[in-house]
Amino acid sequence: QQQVRQSPQSLTVWEGGTTVLTCSYEDSTFNYFPWYQQFPGEGPALLISILSVSDKKEDGRFTTFFNKREKKLSLHIIDSQPGDSATYFCAATSSGSWQLIFGSGTQLTVMP
Amino acid sequence: GALVYQYPRRTICKSGTSMRMECQAVGFQATSVAWYRQSPQKTFELIALSTVNSAIKYEQNFTQEKFPISHPNLSFSSMTVLNAYLEDRGLYLCGAGGGPDYTFGSGTRLLVI
Repeated sequence: QQQVRQSPQSLTVWEGGTTVLTCSYEDSTFNYFPWYQQFPGEGPALLISILSVSDKKEDGRFTTFFNKREKKLSLHIIDSQPGDSATYFCAATSSGSWQLIFGSGTQLTVMP
Repeated sequence: GALVYQYPRRTICKSGTSMRMECQAVGFQATSVAWYRQSPQKTFELIALSTVNSAIKYEQNFTQEKFPISHPNLSFSSMTVLNAYLEDRGLYLCGAGGGPDYTFGSGTRLLVI
């Protein structure tokens, strides 16, 4: 059973454009949702995260939105840059467990 | 800052042999260490979650008999892949933290020949 679904699998945007990645989940006990960024040859690095009590969190060009009713979250990257080209993973966990469940990832390519 | 080092970065072992990989947390206390395997398709599989002073919890399809883990203190963990076969190939990632955020190392890439 795939607990965290992520789409699209890959995405290409032009430099300066807005990137939108989406995830959905099934487990109602999930209450913490981090997004990780992974470059080739490296481990995933925490990009931004949101708790289920919030519906939006912003950090510079990166914003994550959370919809508890629909069990969906999204990552928006404004003014996308070639340096943002990487694989992005949403993840979910519940307090007390702290077992991170990852989505399948979105490979983002930003064209100059 | 918080850093996690994993070594070796890459290793090749013969089918049926075993190899040990290590995970070192620097600049913070690794109360919890999660070991993942990432496939060539980038999919993450959680192997086990280890918390200091608690039992190590293995996920379905992964056992202590195959992937024994040691987490003796707040800065170090190791995992061994026993009797490695082709299906054990992948990038093994160590994520360390105190919950809920994890800092990941760059991984140990295991090739089995």
